[in-house]
Amino acid sequence: EVQLLESGGGLVQPGGSLRLSCAASGFTFSSYAMSWVRQAPGKGLEWVSAISGSGGSTYYADSVKGRFTISRDNFKNTLYLEMNSLRAEDTAVYYCAKFCGSTVTTNWFDPWGQGTLVTVSS
Amino acid sequence: DIVMTQTPLSLSVTPGQPASISCKSSQSLLHSDGKTYLYWYLQKPGQSPQLLIYEVSSRFSGVPDRFSGSGSGTDFTLKISRVEAEDVGVYYCMQGIHLPLTFGQGTRLEIK
Repeated sequence: EVQLLESGGGLVQPGGSLRLSCAASGFTFSSYAMSWVRQAPGKGLEWVSAISGSGGSTYYADSVKGRFTISRDNFKNTLYLEMNSLRAEDTAVYYCAKFCGSTVTTNWFDPWGQGTLVTVSS
Repeated sequence: DIVMTQTPLSLSVTPGQPASISCKSSQSLLHSDGKTYLYWYLQKPGQSPQLLIYEVSSRFSGVPDRFSGSGSGTDFTLKISRVEAEDVGVYYCMQGIHLPLTFGQGTRLEIK
């Protein structure tokens, strides 16, 4: 069974940093592109970032470009999101999601993790 | 960026009755490979989103056949032939042809 388990969320002050992790199991991790999608409280879904299976290609939404860094450790089967210069508008549940293939376009997300809440507030 | 626009934003449906959600994209989602990369997800209360439909009309594994997707180019529709209580939640369309990947605003389905 494919499983994705996020961790690392919490309360952080504006301007602070946080690193999210997503532990994957049940599939050949390095063969699949991965992504982070967030959902602000009571709001819809927003794609944040994606990474190829090898980790050699990364992609970001304009809203996080230059502040967030996606990476992966294919030996540890873990996806990461390093978040710096955090703002109040980054407050959201962050979901880790597996693409159904190796590319970040022309593929759907399945499954999604359960999400981890990041709250940016003083 | 491709803008995805869903209507209506909320639906209240009697069990056993049909429901329909529209999703329009600001650009064609038809790829040069001949496929159209439009997906539908359902986020049930308190849960993560789950895939219902991929490539416009293909039901994902385990999805009941009362769910169907249709459309082409920029206009798409998700239909539920007979709504059941377990179908409550927020439905999102998403385009997968261009980065940034973008979602519709979501359509909240409730049971009357």
